Amino acid sequence: EVQLVQSGAEVKKPGESLKISCKASGYTFSTFWIGWVRQLPGKGLEWMGIIYPADSDTRYSPSFQGQVTISADKSIRTAYLQWSSLKASDTAMFYCARPKSPGSFDAFDIWGQGTMVTVSS
Amino acid sequence: EIVLTQSPGTLSLAPGERATLSCRASQSVSSRYLAWYQQKPGQAPRLLIYGASSRATVIPDRFSGSGSGTDFTLTISRLEPEDFAVYYCQQYGSSPGTFGQGTKLEIK
Repeated sequence: EVQLVQSGAEVKKPGESLKISCKASGYTFSTFWIGWVRQLPGKGLEWMGIIYPADSDTRYSPSFQGQVTISADKSIRTAYLQWSSLKASDTAMFYCARPKSPGSFDAFDIWGQGTMVTVSS
Repeated sequence: EIVLTQSPGTLSLAPGERATLSCRASQSVSSRYLAWYQQKPGQAPRLLIYGASSRATVIPDRFSGSGSGTDFTLTISRLEPEDFAVYYCQQYGSSPGTFGQGTKLEIK
């Protein structure tokens, strides 16, 4: 079964760093892009960025460029989303998602269960 | 960056009725790279339609997509109780991929 399993909910303070993960199984990890999507509380979906694990080619939305870092470790089939200094406005649900076709930007047909990040003093 | 505008923001219909949701792009979406997702409370989004009109795996045929260029439509032919949710369009033809703001389909 193809699936993405994300790390658990996090509660952090402003200024702290954080790295959340998305572990893939059931398919050839390196050959599919993996994207990250933000959902602010009660709001819509926002495309943050996407990484190709085979060569770590990464694209960011201008809205998130410089605010987060997306990475991947092929050896353990895991993608990451990290912050160096969290803000309260980073409080949101974050989803990883895999496009339906290898090697291409495609519609996301596989989604992780989401990781809730709460940033509060 | 392509901006997607969905309308209406909220659609109130009864089970059995037909739902028509619109997604308009600020510029042409290449090769019909337009998808529709359904999201229910507390759940991750689910892919319904890709390539503007192709149904994803195990999506019932009451869901259909159409359109090209800048105007796209998701139609649900006869609403079932489980169809009441929020629907998002997404273009993935150019980076960054962008989502519309969503249409909430609620029970009338």
